[in-house]
Amino acid sequence: AQKVTQAQTEISVVEKEDVTLDCVYETRDTTYYLFWYKQPPSGELVFLIRRNSFDEQNEISGRYSWNFQKSTSSFNFTITASQVVDSAVYFCALSRPKSGGYNKLIFGAGTRLAVHP
Amino acid sequence: DAGVTQSPTHLIKTRGQQVTLRCSPKSGHDTVSWYQQALGQGPQFIFQYYEEEERQRGNFPDRFSGHQFPNYSSELNVNALLLGDSALYLCASSGGGTQIYEQYFGPGTRLTVT
Repeated sequence: AQKVTQAQTEISVVEKEDVTLDCVYETRDTTYYLFWYKQPPSGELVFLIRRNSFDEQNEISGRYSWNFQKSTSSFNFTITASQVVDSAVYFCALSRPKSGGYNKLIFGAGTRLAVHP
Repeated sequence: DAGVTQSPTHLIKTRGQQVTLRCSPKSGHDTVSWYQQALGQGPQFIFQYYEEEERQRGNFPDRFSGHQFPNYSSELNVNALLLGDSALYLCASSGGGTQIYEQYFGPGTRLTVT
């Protein structure tokens, strides 16, 4: 069975602090994809990143960085120098590509991040 | 470039009624997926449509059905509404090739069942 666990329900930080959101996943597949989505109060899920299981290279995009470690089944997300606009619910998700190239996303419960000025 | 659009934004229904939600995919996308997000939880996959056929389904009862039109837009129908169907319903679209693995979401339809 596939499962995504985001143990941190809520995180509160002060602006400019660094913050790491944890994600642990379970799957028996050797090939899979991991994702992070941001959900602001408006409700729309915003795609942040997709990572293939065979690519463990960490990625940095501006203030965002992702640390993928297959040995611990983790895909953590760090925001450097957080800003108030980063306040949102963040979801980690897993998908298993089926033949034909289609998939469904399995989401964690989400981590609510509040960044205070 | 228009993103994924959904209608209506909000909806209030009574137990036992039926509801239809609509979704237009992002330009160039041909696959539509529907998710249900209960308050405080992550989205749960309902089903996915491609070439006007349902090709994947999550663990939802037959009261949940859908349709995809030739222009790739989609509808989600829920019959015999229960209080537990109150949720944010999200539509996601994706394209071909490696784009299938990147689903773009609409703003959702918030359904309240009273």
